[in-house]
Amino acid sequence: KAGVTQTPRYLIKTRGQQVTLSCSPISGHRSVSWYQQTPGQGLQFLFEYFSETQRNKGNFPGRFSGRQFSNSRSEMNVSTLELGDSALYLCASRQDWGSTEAFFGQGTRLTVV
Amino acid sequence: DAKTTQPPSMDCAEGRAANLPCNHSTISGNEYVYWYRQIHSQGPQYIIHGLKNNETNEMASLIITEDRKSSTLILPHATLRDTAVYYCIVRAGGTSYGKLTFGQGTILTVHP
Repeated sequence: KAGVTQTPRYLIKTRGQQVTLSCSPISGHRSVSWYQQTPGQGLQFLFEYFSETQRNKGNFPGRFSGRQFSNSRSEMNVSTLELGDSALYLCASRQDWGSTEAFFGQGTRLTVV
Repeated sequence: DAKTTQPPSMDCAEGRAANLPCNHSTISGNEYVYWYRQIHSQGPQYIIHGLKNNETNEMASLIITEDRKSSTLILPHATLRDTAVYYCIVRAGGTSYGKLTFGQGTILTVHP
């Protein structure tokens, strides 16, 4: 069974641009969560989707948004990029709402210049 | 979620047991203790979790004190591939396990 797939793996964008990152969860998994990891702030929760609905949201500005499709694939979007958005963005999938184990992807490394 | 405190770094010799402590003195009755690890440049990997009983799986053992205010993750025979950042997370049951609060973790270095 394939793991969590995140695309692209690496991305370079310019300040002010927007970016869309993609996450394909493990087949059969219905919950997807997104995290941002930076050297200064560590791993921080962005949001969680289940059955195409956002169920939890972290403390990030409205420039960060996401969505989940009917096949459980998820995308996150960051608009008006800032230098501080440079980070590793990680996606995690869980089989169901009550599942306790999260499986993480390899992440997308975003660099804003 | 209850706050956790972990030592910033630890060393362990290859083949020896690695014992990683975690303090969670404000843990409440319905909160579980989870351990994840992150090997450099990879996403975090689930290791084990428990409520109050000791737990063991193929990767590690989790020892939770009787008062539940601290726990220890034990890697019985550490290898070089166990070098990673280890995160102890406390999470309430009945709420979403999709929202994990990671602290700074413990950098475990296994040396030959």
